[in-house]
Amino acid sequence: GDSVTQMEGPVTLSEEAFLTINCTYTATGYPSLFWYVQYPGEGLQLLLKATKADDKGSNKGFEATYRKETTSFHLEKGSVQVSDSAVYFCALSEGSASKIIFGSGTRLSIRP
Amino acid sequence: DTGVSQNPRHKITKRGQNVTFRCDPISEHNRLYWYRQTLGQGPEFLTYFQNEAQLEKSRLLSDRFSAERPKGSFSTLEIQRTEQGDSAMYLCASSLQRRIKGGEQYFGPGTRLTVT
Repeated sequence: GDSVTQMEGPVTLSEEAFLTINCTYTATGYPSLFWYVQYPGEGLQLLLKATKADDKGSNKGFEATYRKETTSFHLEKGSVQVSDSAVYFCALSEGSASKIIFGSGTRLSIRP
Repeated sequence: DTGVSQNPRHKITKRGQNVTFRCDPISEHNRLYWYRQTLGQGPEFLTYFQNEAQLEKSRLLSDRFSAERPKGSFSTLEIQRTEQGDSAMYLCASSLQRRIKGGEQYFGPGTRLTVT
């Protein structure tokens, strides 16, 4: 079945460092890909998404590109801030109605 | 606040008791999803409704679990004869039906269940 594998955490970086969180997926069709974020004490929020190959999703300085050839959707940010500290989930869904399949999450901590 | 709301936010119960959680979706959303999240893991799909019809159930949803959405608005998730393994965060999400890929689901804050 469909699945998502993402980089294990925790990841600790200094402010203004470059961030990459790796994510690869397995799917039978052509899924949509997502990054969700969970800030401390808050619910899951959609950070960005891409619905077809070579699409780039971006939001709040974060980017991820849908790479069909490597079945990957790595999350990147050029300069992280303390406020980016959260748990990040890579996820996929197939079709227009489907459930979302999540990875196990990567906890990111940014030190000042 | 017009987001997804869930009640209660926390529930502590003894093994063997029944519990019921409520989810109020965003008002114009016709799809409603339930997920379960255990510590250190991502959410896992349980079931989803389109309006009042329950269209898909995960094999994680044992016969002790039942979900309803009687008027196509709020939904309830009941767990009968709770077990310690049911301890988790139960998340509700809603979305608007669209004939496009990648429709966004909006998540509530969750109900944290602890079974002692």
